[in-house]
Amino acid sequence: QQQVKQSPQSLIVQKGGISIINCAYENTAFDYFPWYQQFPGKGPALLIAIRPDVSEKKEGRFTISFNKSAKQFSLHIMDSQPGDSATYFCAASRSFTDSWGKLQFGAGTQVVVTP
Amino acid sequence: NAGVTQTPKFRVLKTGQSMTLLCAQDMNHEYMYWYRQDPGMGLRLIHYSVGEGTTAKGEVPDGYNVSRLKKQNFLLGLESAAPSQTSVYFCASSFRYEQYFGPGTRLTVT
Repeated sequence: QQQVKQSPQSLIVQKGGISIINCAYENTAFDYFPWYQQFPGKGPALLIAIRPDVSEKKEGRFTISFNKSAKQFSLHIMDSQPGDSATYFCAASRSFTDSWGKLQFGAGTQVVVTP
Repeated sequence: NAGVTQTPKFRVLKTGQSMTLLCAQDMNHEYMYWYRQDPGMGLRLIHYSVGEGTTAKGEVPDGYNVSRLKKQNFLLGLESAAPSQTSVYFCASSFRYEQYFGPGTRLTVT
């Protein structure tokens, strides 16, 4: 069973709009939560990541919100652009010494930004 | 600086055939991983390595073997391919948490 549940499966947003993708987890031992972006025919690439000691992290138009008590985290893409059209994966990992960086991925969200 | 490279890019196998997928990284990373990506299932870890000469099972290791004889290379083998192994395979390497992925190998088993 997937340890990280991601929704929605797909998302269409207009240029300039906000894209929001949500993930939920059960394992309270997770302490690293990255988001990966994947374009068609390419491998995933790290977009942004957060540790559970902060509730929000922002990098440019991308923001992660983290709710430790609810065991949920989300990615917000502000002012969405057609170049943001990609598949986004959330993931989670336990501490590096426990897990050797092994990631549990969500199922992915395909985001399409219309002009 | 090529990062992570994978060969081949595409392959079609018949059921029962064997093949080896090669992953190479030039970043001197200790940790390397093999994932498979299937629609609606995200990426699932097959095997991983924490250093030259070491390998360990991931979430879905059955039907696959791996070797890491050199630090920069991580090989994934299919001894007797099955249609259920039709997938896109990604290799990744890391120094710590951030994983760098290769471009993938699309494998079809008929």
